[in-house]
Amino acid sequence: GAVVSQHPSWVICKSGTSVKIECRSLDFQATTMFWYRQFPKQSLMLMATSNEGSKATYEQGVEKDKFLINHASLTLSTLTVTSAHPEDSSFYICSARRPGSRGNTEAFFGQGTRLTVV
Amino acid sequence: GQQVMQIPQYQHVQEGEDFTTYCNSSTTLSNIQWYKQRPGGHPVFLIQLVKSGEVKKQKRLTFQFGEAKKNSSLHITATQTTDVGTYFCAGPLGNQGGKLIFGQGTELSVKP
Repeated sequence: GAVVSQHPSWVICKSGTSVKIECRSLDFQATTMFWYRQFPKQSLMLMATSNEGSKATYEQGVEKDKFLINHASLTLSTLTVTSAHPEDSSFYICSARRPGSRGNTEAFFGQGTRLTVV
Repeated sequence: GQQVMQIPQYQHVQEGEDFTTYCNSSTTLSNIQWYKQRPGGHPVFLIQLVKSGEVKKQKRLTFQFGEAKKNSSLHITATQTTDVGTYFCAGPLGNQGGKLIFGQGTELSVKP
């Protein structure tokens, strides 16, 4: 299956600092990637859709100025959590679909990034 | 807004017992997908159902998609310790391709 790689797998940062998370599609080009957030023992919540070459689209309630998304190439999307606070501590996961997969919308997920803000 | 509900939240079974998780959507879905997330891991795609009333099997796992395409179930026969994890159903969010809305997940623990 397709491989989506996410880095780092975990990060601890101080309040007020910014953290960048990378999501790469390793064996296919992804014009669209998705960023989800998962709190412990909870479901995945879609944060935003990352679009190559254009602005990301954010779900309702997600602060676009806090969660900066850049999709600079067909294989890389980045999520930057700016001015992080302890309540931003969570598991962030990206996903992508293989292009041309008509009828099959299987999502390939990265390994996830566990962010802890202290 | 669109919702996907999943029950139960937790299920503890003895190895060899069966397990079922149920998924209900507030809207008709064009397809439903199931994912498994092991503790500390990321969701891994299991299957996609598209047709009304569809039933698919993967070894000990049986997936069903309701006639109205608003509900689905995953049944595991004779659970094994390797089945441990959280099972999520997910459907397309809105009409935009690729976006998924997930159920709350069912966490399965299996006692050997």
